[in-house]
Amino acid sequence: AQTVTQSQPEMSVQEAETVTLSCTYDTSESNYYLFWYKQPPSRQMILVIRQEAYKQQNATENRFSVNFQKAAKSFSLKISDSQLGDTAMYFCAFMRANYGGATNKLIFGTGTLLAVQP
Amino acid sequence: DTGVSQDPRHKITKRGQNVTFRCDPISEHNRLYWYRQTLGQGPEFLTYFQNEAQLEKSRLLSDRFSAERPKGSFSTLEIQRTEQGDSAMYLCASHANPPDRGQEADTQYFGPGTRLTVL
Repeated sequence: AQTVTQSQPEMSVQEAETVTLSCTYDTSESNYYLFWYKQPPSRQMILVIRQEAYKQQNATENRFSVNFQKAAKSFSLKISDSQLGDTAMYFCAFMRANYGGATNKLIFGTGTLLAVQP
Repeated sequence: DTGVSQDPRHKITKRGQNVTFRCDPISEHNRLYWYRQTLGQGPEFLTYFQNEAQLEKSRLLSDRFSAERPKGSFSTLEIQRTEQGDSAMYLCASHANPPDRGQEADTQYFGPGTRLTVL
């Protein structure tokens, strides 16, 4: 069974600074995806960034980038130039790659609550 | 795309009552998922549909829970004889395989959720 661990329940960062959220996972699968989702207070979950396990290059989306270490099973999220709107719960999630009709359920960590301070 | 929608957004009910939630996925998304999220936790998988077929159910989904997706479009999740432990946010997500109109393969798009409170 796959597990996802986020060891930082809460983090705080000053506006315009950089913060890194940690995530580790455990799996015996060789082909899978990793995601970071953001859930602002009382708002819906939205995708921040995704990484395919077969790609060695780390994914980047504007101010968001990941450090994917496949051998270490680590998948951290770096947020640069933090903005007040980044305040949210951040979830790391694992999904095995799709094979036919197999379930692609997401396995989530417990989340990291990020507060961006003005 | 109008996104994934869920109805109602909030539901307060008394213990023992039945409740039904609806999810409308992004149009033409053939895969639909239900998750449950309790306070301070990440979402947990409940069940999965590919078109109208329910292909997997979690052990979290007790006999009091049933889900349907008639005609492979919207889905409903019903909870019978609700208990206080059912209080949670119920999330619906969908994705297309193969990818649809610029959306990435295997990325799940979430609705706003239905928050259930059982008194």
